[in-house]
Amino acid sequence: QSALTQPASVSGSPGQSITISCTGSSHDVGTYDLVSWYQQYPGKAPKLIIYEVFKRPSGVSSRFSGSKSGNTASLTISGLQAEDEADYYCCSYAASVTYVFGGGTKVTVL
Amino acid sequence: EEQLAESGGGLVQPGGSLRLSCVASGFTFSGYWMSWLRQPPGKGLEWVANIKYDGSDKYYVESVRGRFTISKDNGKSSLYLQMNRLRADDTAVYYCARADNHGWNAWGQGTLVTVSS
Repeated sequence: QSALTQPASVSGSPGQSITISCTGSSHDVGTYDLVSWYQQYPGKAPKLIIYEVFKRPSGVSSRFSGSKSGNTASLTISGLQAEDEADYYCCSYAASVTYVFGGGTKVTVL
Repeated sequence: EEQLAESGGGLVQPGGSLRLSCVASGFTFSGYWMSWLRQPPGKGLEWVANIKYDGSDKYYVESVRGRFTISKDNGKSSLYLQMNRLRADDTAVYYCARADNHGWNAWGQGTLVTVSS
């Protein structure tokens, strides 16, 4: 299993939209619509913000949206806010009940 | 409110063993697949192991297969991870998490495992 590829950092100004990419392969992202995204603040446990590519758990802001094209999944944060400054991780199902994560993206609000 | 609480982390020498525990509350533990995930200090997340809701099936990342064993006691609402032949690269914060729709929607606070001589 190879890790999914995410940009190390993405930044934006308040109110802007940013997109984080997550590139895998035909063995994971490209085959399964089972991509999830997590938000993590320093010293805290991750929080699920997107599952099954585009679905949001109850209570998660609609400013977070997910999509997928081919082997690449994406997380878009619209109307960027200071509280969105955190690390974001993508994860994909990779067959035989195994999962692979991306390396994480640090989002900075300028 | 759904809660997960890990315990059992600590400092262990290379080649040693450690058993992590996770107690669940606020949901029907017996109805859920459960997972262990880990995060080395300053690094990203890694899925470690999954166990079916009834404990009948278990799955592991390649790097721990044969060394780690996940188990589940539904009567005690508890999840365990027995870790043997520990290596320095097993050093991480270990999280237990509830599996929902191929994502993890409930997490514990994590327990730190340090493998060092």
